[in-house]
Amino acid sequence: DGGITQSPKYLFRKEGQNVTLSCEQNLNHDAMYWYRQDPGQGLRLIYYSQIVNDFQKGDIAEGYSVSREKKESFPLTVTSAQKNPTAFYLCASSIQGFNEKLFFGSGTQLSVL
Amino acid sequence: GENVEQHPSTLSVQEGDSAVIKCTYSDSASNYFPWYKQELGKRPQLIIDIRSNVGEKKDQRIAVTLNKTAKHFSLHITETQPEDSAVYFCAALKDSSYKLIFGSGTRLLVRP
Repeated sequence: DGGITQSPKYLFRKEGQNVTLSCEQNLNHDAMYWYRQDPGQGLRLIYYSQIVNDFQKGDIAEGYSVSREKKESFPLTVTSAQKNPTAFYLCASSIQGFNEKLFFGSGTQLSVL
Repeated sequence: GENVEQHPSTLSVQEGDSAVIKCTYSDSASNYFPWYKQELGKRPQLIIDIRSNVGEKKDQRIAVTLNKTAKHFSLHITETQPEDSAVYFCAALKDSSYKLIFGSGTRLLVRP
């Protein structure tokens, strides 16, 4: 699959450790997003970015941080302040905004050791 | 803020039967309603969407209906096939909020 790539596929975090999830897209999309997916729940928005060098908090931003230095890249850092980080993380992009088709990456499963 | 409820959480149908998944939303200002399909171990993909200025949209075996008065919308799949088995998510958005709110998902199983 091309378009939007997430890495790694699986990631393990130790107590007190920060970890960074990678998200790269070659679709020339302006907007990028990070969602968290827990079993039996819908996708919850962590952060989103409508344009380079700008990003906004979503509904569950506490314990996470992002950067958007390049149009193609939107990495997510899960900090030690996030006490329940075990989840499936999905990155997405769209041409402009939320009312456009979202293209999702294949996800990263983060687990705590 | 917006809240989206989705029912049922699981749905099992015989191949060839129809399947219906329903969602309700709380914010009457919401005006965009997409549906995403996530097959096991794969990424969610948009299968159909509807905007508030229409009541129904069809794409082959898939249709979505919207009732703005009652604030609910539904996904209809006709002549179901085993490859329709997946988790389906509805979502709602009002343009001014820049937040797409997802339902909790419906796991559809199509029995051969």
